[in-house]
Amino acid sequence: KNEVEQSPQNLTAQEGEFITINCSYSVGISALHWLQQHPGGGIVSLFMLSSGKKKHGRLIATINIQEKHSSLHITASHPRDSAVYICAVKGERDTGNQFYFGTGTSLTVIP
Amino acid sequence: KAGVTQTPRYLIKTRGQQVTLSCSPISGHRSVSWYQQTPGQGLQFLFEYFSETQRNKGNFPGRFSGRQFSNSRSEMNVSTLELGDSALYLCASSFTDRNEKLFFGSGTQLSVL
Repeated sequence: KNEVEQSPQNLTAQEGEFITINCSYSVGISALHWLQQHPGGGIVSLFMLSSGKKKHGRLIATINIQEKHSSLHITASHPRDSAVYICAVKGERDTGNQFYFGTGTSLTVIP
Repeated sequence: KAGVTQTPRYLIKTRGQQVTLSCSPISGHRSVSWYQQTPGQGLQFLFEYFSETQRNKGNFPGRFSGRQFSNSRSEMNVSTLELGDSALYLCASSFTDRNEKLFFGSGTQLSVL
C-alpha cells in the first residue's frame, strides 16, 4: 500500500497548455513538498505546503488537508518544464515523522 | 552561497564491503536528511539529523546508519553491502528540523557488484 499516490504517471502536453498533477495521501501529515527532478539532474524543491495555496511564477500548488489531496498546476507550460514531479509528505508523530514519496509524474512538454 | 555538497559522486563497491558517504549542508543549515532513490522503489526516506541527533528514521535495516558532526556535516554508512543497495543516495539540508523547504545535493551513485 502506497501512502502517497500521484496521477497521472506520465503526461505529454503541447507548449502553452495548462497542466495539473494530482497527489493523494493516506497518512496524517505535517507538510507536503512538491519536488522537480530533471533527467540526470538533482532534485529541486518547488513548494512546501501545510495549508492553502502557494504561487511561484507559472507554478501554483494547493493543498486540501481535509480531503488529503494536493495539486500542482503549471500555467503556460514550456519545454523546460519537462521533468519528473514528485509529491512528498512528512508524516506526523504517529508515523515516526517519516517522509513518504509518490512515484512521480513524468512530464514532457512538446514545442 | 555554496549548495549541498555530496561526495563522492560515484562509487563502485562489491558485495560484503562497507561504504561511507558524505554530505556537507548549506552553511547555516543544521538539519540533514538522507534518501535512497532506485528505479524500482523510487525515493525512500533513510533518516534525518538535527544538531547531531537522529530525529527520524525510515524503514531500513540496521546496516544503514548515519551520524552528524558539530559542523552539521553528515555521513551515512552502509555495512555488508548487498546488490540491492545499488542506488542514488541523496541528502538534503534545511535550517531547522521544522517543516521547511529542502535543498538537495546532486547525490552519490553507488553501484554494488
